Amino acid sequence: GENVEQHPSTLSVQEGDSAVIKCTYSDSASNYFPWYKQELGKRPQLIIDIRSNVGEKKDQRIAVTLNKTAKHFSLHITETQPEDSAVYFCAASKTPPGFGNEKLTFGTGTRLTIIP
Amino acid sequence: EADIYQTPRYLVIGTGKKITLECSQTMGHDKMYWYQQDPGMELHLIHYSYGVNSTEKGDLSSESTVSRIRTEHFPLTLESARPSHTSQYLCASSEFGLNYGYTFGSGTRLTVV
Repeated sequence: GENVEQHPSTLSVQEGDSAVIKCTYSDSASNYFPWYKQELGKRPQLIIDIRSNVGEKKDQRIAVTLNKTAKHFSLHITETQPEDSAVYFCAASKTPPGFGNEKLTFGTGTRLTIIP
Repeated sequence: EADIYQTPRYLVIGTGKKITLECSQTMGHDKMYWYQQDPGMELHLIHYSYGVNSTEKGDLSSESTVSRIRTEHFPLTLESARPSHTSQYLCASSEFGLNYGYTFGSGTRLTVV
């Protein structure tokens, strides 16, 4: 089965600086890579996702890059703000959850703290 | 509002008690999932369902059981709670044919004393 490793487990960044979280996956058949953000006491929420036919995707201050050859993908947050403080999870599956019976395999999470 | 709801939000219960954690979604999603979340953050899949009368065990062995008698309802039951069951339990859903990820509930934080 798929195995997703996520690093670092904790990350502290000065406000305004950039943050990068990296994930590697084991199953070369994986094609869908979402990122979830879980604020303290709240539910995980999808913030961005990428499919294997795309190398990079941006949404305002967040971007995700994918290297299928190396089987790793990364979340980049620029100009960090206090509200970016949260736990971030990467995940992988062969297809998006809406197609087929694939389940997401989650990484172990990264606790990001933005220092004012 | 179409969403996924979990009750109770917090539960403190004594060892040996039977408990049911409720999860209901009003989005008409076919697929539903239960995750156990460590204090250290990690999400562990314990049960999932692809539709009515379909239930499967997840990657993490759990003493809990689930049922899916109605599309919108996916309760999780512990017959005899133990302190080792203390954790946060998150319910999630997704839909065949829709091009986005899981929708999570707000979770139930269970403490067994």
